[in-house]
This record gives sequence, structure tokens and C-alpha cells, in this order.
Amino acid sequence: QKEVEQDPGPLSVPEGAIVSLNCTYSNSAFQYFMWYRQYSRKGPELLMYTYSSGNKEDGRFTAQVDKSSKYISLFIRDSQPSDSATYLCAMKAGGTSYGKLTFGQGTILTVHP
Amino acid sequence: GAVVSQHPSWVICKSGTSVKIECRSLDFQATTMFWYRQFPKQSLMLMATSNEGSKATYEQGVEKDKFLINHASLTLSTLTVTSAHPEDSSFYICSARGLADWGASYEQYFGPGTRLTVT
Repeated sequence: QKEVEQDPGPLSVPEGAIVSLNCTYSNSAFQYFMWYRQYSRKGPELLMYTYSSGNKEDGRFTAQVDKSSKYISLFIRDSQPSDSATYLCAMKAGGTSYGKLTFGQGTILTVHP
Repeated sequence: GAVVSQHPSWVICKSGTSVKIECRSLDFQATTMFWYRQFPKQSLMLMATSNEGSKATYEQGVEKDKFLINHASLTLSTLTVTSAHPEDSSFYICSARGLADWGASYEQYFGPGTRLTVT
């Protein structure tokens, strides 16, 4: 079993839709949770960074962490064609913020006009 | 925000030759740099972690004599693929973490990647 599971999709939605992306994990030591966006042939770009459980909102993006269920989500409101990319969840252990990241396999999202 | 650059963005080399990829943190000091490899439609695979001035720590299964990593300064790390073969063709991405000018930051920022093709 992988430490981090993420549905690879692909996910296709119409412009303006609300997108929900999810990851589950098995390692209870994970305390830091991140979402990255990666455009084709580019490096990942940090979108959201959350410590422990709770919600965090930034513009059209909302990240949720439910540590009791070992489940994290990223919501994209009013999705745009420019949101079409691969979304990677990543997490690392607590105790120290110096731990290495463990990535999900990424979800390919296409937002069509 | 934190910017990480990589050079070159794309390189083609012949089998048996060596290729060097540079990774620079442009506006912060990277105390730790990471090198990843990514195959098409797959996630990032961590190859090694390097702290400035120290030897790199390689992940299991990664040949340290083949993938030479140098982190000589707080803004530069290099990955050299020695005696490259076609199976080394991949997308190599570096990442940097450290203290930013605007305050402490332990977030990890990624470079744009380098596409290596070995013929």
C-alpha cells in the first residue's frame, strides 16, 4: 500500500464548475500538507500549505485536512481553463519541518470552456 | 516569492557522455536541495537530498556514482549524470528549501525542470 493515494483521473469539468481533488494517506506522522500544481513540462508550483487539521482558503482555492480520517482535499471554485494541469498532493512528517515530502501520483485536471 | 531556476531546460546528449544540470535559488538561501526524477504521467521520485557543504543522501536504488550531486553554496546545487544511457532519459526537477529574506520559511520550492534525452 502506498503511503499517499491519489486518484490519477483524468478529471474533466466545464468552466465554472467546482472541482474537488482528494488524497488519502496512511502515515499518522504526517503533519504538513501541501498541494502543488504542475503544468505540462514544468516544475510543480506550490498552491497551498497547511499544518495539521483544518481549512485554509486562498482566493478560489480551499484546502481541507481531516487528520482523523487521514484525508485531505483541495477545492477549486469557478474553475477556469487555465486551471488545467496536474495537481499533486504532498505531505511530510511532523516533529520537524525538515522531513522529505511524500507525493501522491497526481490528478490530471482539464477545464473545458 | 521564492524562485528556483534550472539550467539547461532541455538537453540532448549521446550515450556514454556526462551531463550537468544546475539548480539555483534566486532570492533565498537554500540550506537543503532535493533532486527528483519524473517519468511521463507519473509523480516525482526523490533521488537525493543535499545540505549545503555536506554529502548528498541518496534514496534507495539511486546510484550515487552515476548521479553526482554537489551543493557547494547556499544558492547552487548541481546534478551530473555520468555515462548517460537512454534509460536515463527523464525529466529532472530540483527543489530548494531554506530561509527566505522575508522570514523563516520551510516550504519547498521547485525549479522548472530539465528534460534530458540520451540518444
